[in-house]
Amino acid sequence: KQEVTQIPAALSVPEGENLVLNCSFTDSAIYNLQWFRQDPGKGLTSLLLIQSSQREQTSGRLNASLDKSSGRSTLYIAASQPGDSATYLCAVCGSNDYKLSFGAGTTVTVRA
Amino acid sequence: DGGITQSPKYLFRKEGQNVTLSCEQNLNHDAMYWYRQDPGQGLRLIYYSQIVNDFQKGDIAEGYSVSREKKESFPLTVTSAQKNPTAFYLCASSQVRDEQYFGPGTRLTVT
Repeated sequence: KQEVTQIPAALSVPEGENLVLNCSFTDSAIYNLQWFRQDPGKGLTSLLLIQSSQREQTSGRLNASLDKSSGRSTLYIAASQPGDSATYLCAVCGSNDYKLSFGAGTTVTVRA
Repeated sequence: DGGITQSPKYLFRKEGQNVTLSCEQNLNHDAMYWYRQDPGQGLRLIYYSQIVNDFQKGDIAEGYSVSREKKESFPLTVTSAQKNPTAFYLCASSQVRDEQYFGPGTRLTVT
């Protein structure tokens, strides 16, 4: 069974600092990996999707890397802003069942 | 506006009552999913459907039921058999094996 871990569970940084969020998974047989953002009491917003054949994906200030062999993905957010405060969730899609397995998330606070 | 709608946003029920959560999408996606989210935990898959009139159990299907009579709709019923139904419920849709898009969620409280 795929296990997805996100460390740390919470992170607080001053505005302008770069954010580094980590995701690890136990089974390297993945189809893709998605990063989501969740604001309190809201649904999930998809940020980036990386196919298993890709090493990284970029969108604006966001960059996500994938190292399938070591079971790791990292989400980088450049020049953080208070509006980046949210919970960030990593989800791995299995290549056998195509179901998403989620980490518990990292809650980020960007201080003005 | 394309998207996924869930209703209601908040739902309160007495223990022992069945309750149905609505999920509708106009993205023309074939696949739809129901997840449960508890504080401090990742989302857990309850049921999913990849085509009309067909659905499969996820990791925590006990005490829940679904139907998929129309492509756009995937309602979830939380039955009285569900031991701990209070949670945040999220519906998602996608093309099969593609990026999933989520609705705004329904917070169910059972007392």
